[in-house]
Amino acid sequence: EAAVTQSPRSKVAVTGGKVTLSCHQTNNHDYMYWYRQDTGHGLRLIHYSYVADSTEKGDIPDGYKASRPSQENFSLILELASLSQTAVYFCASSTGKTLYFGSGTRLTVL
Amino acid sequence: QQKVQQSPESLTVSEGAMASLNCTFSDGTSNNFRWYRQHSAKGLEVLVSIFSDGEKEEGRFTAHLNRANLHVSLHIREPQPSDSAVYLCAVRGRNNNNAPRFGAGTKLSVKP
Repeated sequence: EAAVTQSPRSKVAVTGGKVTLSCHQTNNHDYMYWYRQDTGHGLRLIHYSYVADSTEKGDIPDGYKASRPSQENFSLILELASLSQTAVYFCASSTGKTLYFGSGTRLTVL
Repeated sequence: QQKVQQSPESLTVSEGAMASLNCTFSDGTSNNFRWYRQHSAKGLEVLVSIFSDGEKEEGRFTAHLNRANLHVSLHIREPQPSDSAVYLCAVRGRNNNNAPRFGAGTKLSVKP
């Protein structure tokens, strides 16, 4: 069965600090995505990738970087965390069809 | 940029009554539509996928697509309290390298 693992499950960060959210998939999928979820906004696309060593900007990329060093791993990096980045972050992988989601990372920036 | 909107924002139905959720999208060339369900900020599970105009049924869940009207709907037959969750519509453009965009969701409550 499809498996997408996110780490950490939750994190508290300080304003201005660096945060890295990690995602690992064992599905052999080419496509990987990072979304954030805020109440009332559904899922908003931050960055995505359809091949290793390449990333694409989504709809809300400001303040975020992404890294896809291998097919299996996709990281989301907040160089200078801000209060507005408090949210739940979901990673997903796909063959170009159904998305398979991780369990999410709850990030709180204080 | 694809815009996806869902209505209503929240919906309460009685157990056994039909529940109907709506989703509109802006890119008329979109050809890949899915409905996902999310229980309490947990992971999402796909319910039904539809790629051409008409109807697609998966158990108690039926999706209807009308691309001319930029509209896709989800109907839940005989909903149960365990169906109480947030339902999200996802739309992808024709190119597989287009990432899926989601609506804000409909929060469904099913009363016993």
